[in-house]
Amino acid sequence: NAGVMQNPRHLVRRRGQEARLRCSPMKGHSHVYWYRQLPEEGLKFMVYLQKENIIDESGMPKERFSAEFPKEGPSILRIQQVVRGDSAAYFCASSPQVATNEKLFFGSGTQLSVL
Amino acid sequence: AQSVSQHNHHVILSEAASLELGCNYSYGGTVNLFWYVQYPGQHLQLLLKYFSGDPLVKGIKGFEAEFIKSKFSFNLRKPSVQWSDTAEYFCAVRGTRQDKIIFGKGTRLHILP
Repeated sequence: NAGVMQNPRHLVRRRGQEARLRCSPMKGHSHVYWYRQLPEEGLKFMVYLQKENIIDESGMPKERFSAEFPKEGPSILRIQQVVRGDSAAYFCASSPQVATNEKLFFGSGTQLSVL
Repeated sequence: AQSVSQHNHHVILSEAASLELGCNYSYGGTVNLFWYVQYPGQHLQLLLKYFSGDPLVKGIKGFEAEFIKSKFSFNLRKPSVQWSDTAEYFCAVRGTRQDKIIFGKGTRLHILP
């Protein structure tokens, strides 16, 4: 059973370009979470999605950032018109259900570098 | 709003020393608590979790944590650390009325051989 798969592992973009980060949850998992990690700041919650639904996007910046988790295919975190401050490690996690004691399974992350 | 505070940013210990990493949370209700670990070059993985019952929770690799409700704390402990415990440790909380898990800023633990 493959774990949470994120790609690409490293993504380099110039300012103003778009970044698309992909996350395939573990088989049988229908809940996906995105976190951003900056040095010395830990993991900051961005968004929580179920298939075809955004459940909680309270951590998403109001502009340029969007996320989706379609019925088929991976979850996508999209950053439009990237700026240097978007450079960070972006982690995806999945869980099989919404029970609050359920642990998260994390992917290896995508390191976004904006030049 | 829920939040998590980890007291130490960097901790350096010698092998066989005892470890305690502090974690305090803020949430006005019942919580589930977690410690995750990230070894160098690897993804985050669960070390242990508390959701009810015995407040002293035992996890993998000899780690344990104690939930003290009156202090809003969930400190991580290990009696004798090993070089292989070098990693970054994250405390996390999830309110039982909410779905998202909030993480602390992490503590980088460096064990000297």
